Amino acid sequence: DQQVKQNSPSLSVQEGRISILNCDYTNSMFDYFLWYKKYPAEGPTFLISISSIKDKNEDGRFTVFLNKSAKHLSLHIVPSQPGDSAVYFCAARNTGNQFYFGTGTSLTVIP
Amino acid sequence: NAGVMQNPRHLVRRRGQEARLRCSPMKGHSHVYWYRQLPEEGLKFMVYLQKENIIDESGMPKERFSAEFPKEGPSILRIQQVVRGDSAAYFCASSPTPPGIYGYTFGSGTRLTVV
Repeated sequence: DQQVKQNSPSLSVQEGRISILNCDYTNSMFDYFLWYKKYPAEGPTFLISISSIKDKNEDGRFTVFLNKSAKHLSLHIVPSQPGDSAVYFCAARNTGNQFYFGTGTSLTVIP
Repeated sequence: NAGVMQNPRHLVRRRGQEARLRCSPMKGHSHVYWYRQLPEEGLKFMVYLQKENIIDESGMPKERFSAEFPKEGPSILRIQQVVRGDSAAYFCASSPTPPGIYGYTFGSGTRLTVV
């Protein structure tokens, strides 16, 4: 059972435009949500996170939005840069202190 | 300050052999997690360990797989009698405490190929 879902396997965006990556979850007990970025042949690296008590967190070009009623999370990257091309994983923490990951969205930013 | 170190980076095993994957967490981190990424899939939780203790192994296959994190030395993920379906990237992550807003720090992974 996939508790965290990323329904778009891939996304292409023109450089300078906004990238929006989406994530849905099923467990209302998740209390932290994170986005990780992964380049080929490397491990995932932490990008940005949000607590379930907030609805928005911003860090430079990256903003994460949380809609608890819809159980939906999104990551906005603006402006998108070619170096942002990577696979982005959404993750959510349960009370057992482990994170559940989505299947990832491969972002390509076209110069 | 080295990050999470995994070795080997690549491991090739014949069917029926044993695979041992090693993970040294970041300095000061006492919580270790193992994840597996099968081709075209996301990261699947396998096991969560603290020093000398298995906290949660709900994601571990019931047979052939085991993990340990001894008092001294790296964490080891052991796969006995490997089969082709075990071919995957295995990632280790660590955190200083149960993970919160900054999640884990991941290693670069071990890519296991079973031939």
